[in-house]
Amino acid sequence: DGGITQSPKYLFRKEGQNVTLSCEQNLNHDAMYWYRQDPGQGLRLIYYSQIVNDFQKGDIAEGYSVSREKKESFPLTVTSAQKNPTAFYLCASSIASGQPLTGELFFGEGSRLTVL
Amino acid sequence: AQSVSQHNHHVILSEAASLELGCNYSYGGTVNLFWYVQYPGQHLQLLLKYFSGDPLVKGIKGFEAEFIKSKFSFNLRKPSVQWSDTAEYFCAVIPTRRGTALIFGKGTTLSVSS
Repeated sequence: DGGITQSPKYLFRKEGQNVTLSCEQNLNHDAMYWYRQDPGQGLRLIYYSQIVNDFQKGDIAEGYSVSREKKESFPLTVTSAQKNPTAFYLCASSIASGQPLTGELFFGEGSRLTVL
Repeated sequence: AQSVSQHNHHVILSEAASLELGCNYSYGGTVNLFWYVQYPGQHLQLLLKYFSGDPLVKGIKGFEAEFIKSKFSFNLRKPSVQWSDTAEYFCAVIPTRRGTALIFGKGTTLSVSS
């Protein structure tokens, strides 16, 4: 079954600890994204990557880092510099055959991070 | 910066009522437009999309949306809602120029009572 797998589904961490959220896709999509979802705020873009070894900051990249070493994987690290890390994190992917991005995204089920 | 505004935060309807959710965006150039839906406990999924052509687009489950370029709007409609339409609905826009990603509105929660 093709899709996007995010892990873990739920994560608890102490303040000041870095945490890495995993996102893997087997859709053969070129582009991958990380969004943060907070109640009443919609989805806000953290980072996105259109090709391996390249990524761009979104609107709220501060306190986060990503890597894109493989096409299938786009892990997100929430660092201790992120002031309000408790949130629901969504990973997505899309076909990016050429430019521009179409915007048709396929989403994972999300990871809920709670910082205590 | 581009932005997307959804007019209603929470809409409550009875079954069989008609639905219209408002969405406006701020961007002067060409855009692709989307509505995504998140049913309780499920992942976000595409409801419908507009790239070009007929401004009235039809999506899954009887939903449709109309793109009015002069009003920068892309409102979602359904003539008769069902209890199963209870979900959160997100309008999203992507400018077709290079170097941008999808921008979402804040979402509208629809609660349908049976």
